[in-house]
Amino acid sequence: GEKVEQHESTLSVREGDSAVINCTYTDTASSYFPWYKQEAGKSLHFVIDIRSNVDRKQSQRLTVLLDKKAKRFSLHITATQPEDSAIYFCAAVSSGSWQLIFGSGTQLTVMP
Amino acid sequence: EAAVTQSPRNKVAVTGGKVTLSCNQTNNHNNMYWYRQDTGHGLRLIHYSYGAGSTEKGDIPDGYKASRPSQENFSLILELATPSQTSVYFCASGGQFSNERLFFGHGTKLSVL
Repeated sequence: GEKVEQHESTLSVREGDSAVINCTYTDTASSYFPWYKQEAGKSLHFVIDIRSNVDRKQSQRLTVLLDKKAKRFSLHITATQPEDSAIYFCAAVSSGSWQLIFGSGTQLTVMP
Repeated sequence: EAAVTQSPRNKVAVTGGKVTLSCNQTNNHNNMYWYRQDTGHGLRLIHYSYGAGSTEKGDIPDGYKASRPSQENFSLILELATPSQTSVYFCASGGQFSNERLFFGHGTKLSVL
């Protein structure tokens, strides 16, 4: 079945710098890749997604890049702010079960 | 925004006891999910449902049962709780298609002693 690997377990950046979180997946047929954010002590909420018919999607300071050949996708956050500090989860839909498979999460810390 | 409510927020159970975690959603979503979150593993899917009366096994169903008596409610049942089931459990709901965003509840922290 699908496996999603999130490469950075922790990431620290200075406020105003950019942050990049990388994920890889194994299922060539995966077609949907969302990202979720979990602030400390809170639940997860959706932040951005990308479908396999495009290779780039931007929403304000967030950009997702998708490289289908390499089976890799990444979340880019520009001009980071303290409120960006959170755990970010990448995910992919498994073509077998049609369910979301999550990565292990990246704890992003934005330092003042 | 869709509201997903979990109860209880915290639960302490004894080994061998029965635990029921409840989830209610008010956005009329067909699909509902139960995940557990453990450090180093992210979120892992336990059970899910396509609608009232339906339950499906996720990636780690052993030791868990699920019940979907209505569109709004989805329960996770641990018949014989074990310490390895100590975790944070999240319920989520989503639309009909797998490429729609999920809405998560606030989580239930379960400790099995």
